[in-house]
Amino acid sequence: QKEVEQNSGPLSVPEGAIASLNCTYSDRGSQSFFWYRQYSGKSPELIMSIYSNGDKEDGRFTAQLNKASQYVSLLIRDSQPSDSATYLCAVNGRNYGQNFVFGPGTRLSVLP
Amino acid sequence: NAGVTQTPKFQVLKTGQSMTLQCAQDMNHNSMYWYRQDPGMGLRLIYYSASEGTTDKGEVPNGYNVSRLNKREFSLRLESAAPSQTSVYFCASSEIHGQIYGYTFGSGTRLTVV
Repeated sequence: QKEVEQNSGPLSVPEGAIASLNCTYSDRGSQSFFWYRQYSGKSPELIMSIYSNGDKEDGRFTAQLNKASQYVSLLIRDSQPSDSATYLCAVNGRNYGQNFVFGPGTRLSVLP
Repeated sequence: NAGVTQTPKFQVLKTGQSMTLQCAQDMNHNSMYWYRQDPGMGLRLIYYSASEGTTDKGEVPNGYNVSRLNKREFSLRLESAAPSQTSVYFCASSEIHGQIYGYTFGSGTRLTVV
């Protein structure tokens, strides 16, 4: 089992819809969870962090964490074509000084 | 502020050649990282430097060496390039190495080894 798993997609949603991106992780001791956005040919950009169970909202983005089920999700409301990118989930692991392990990413396509 | 600056942006090497990827950050961050990104594999940690004066191996260190030259600069060296090292390399920095801090990434180096 990979440490951090994501559906590679592509996930296609119409403009204005809610995009739901999911991530599961294997280490029950993980305490920090991040979402990065990566446009094609660009570097990852941090968009959300979450540390406690429940929801955390920031503008159109909501991160959801359920440690008991070992999943973290990202909801994007009112999706825009500019949200089309690959979204990377990062979870702190046991190794390398509790460094972050990245999932392979989910490619999101928002259709006008 | 420039953030994290990587050079070069593109490079083609022949098998067996060596090169050094340069990385510098101007955010006064303590920790720096080198990742490689391959299709379907996500970002994998090559080496990291939790603080100036220290370096440690990550998940995929074989074939690479690093130098933390000072607080700002962290270089990655390929001593004898192999086709398996064809990848996109990202340098990143963090205020402090720890679980609550996110990373700022450089723009990446696209390396092709033929």
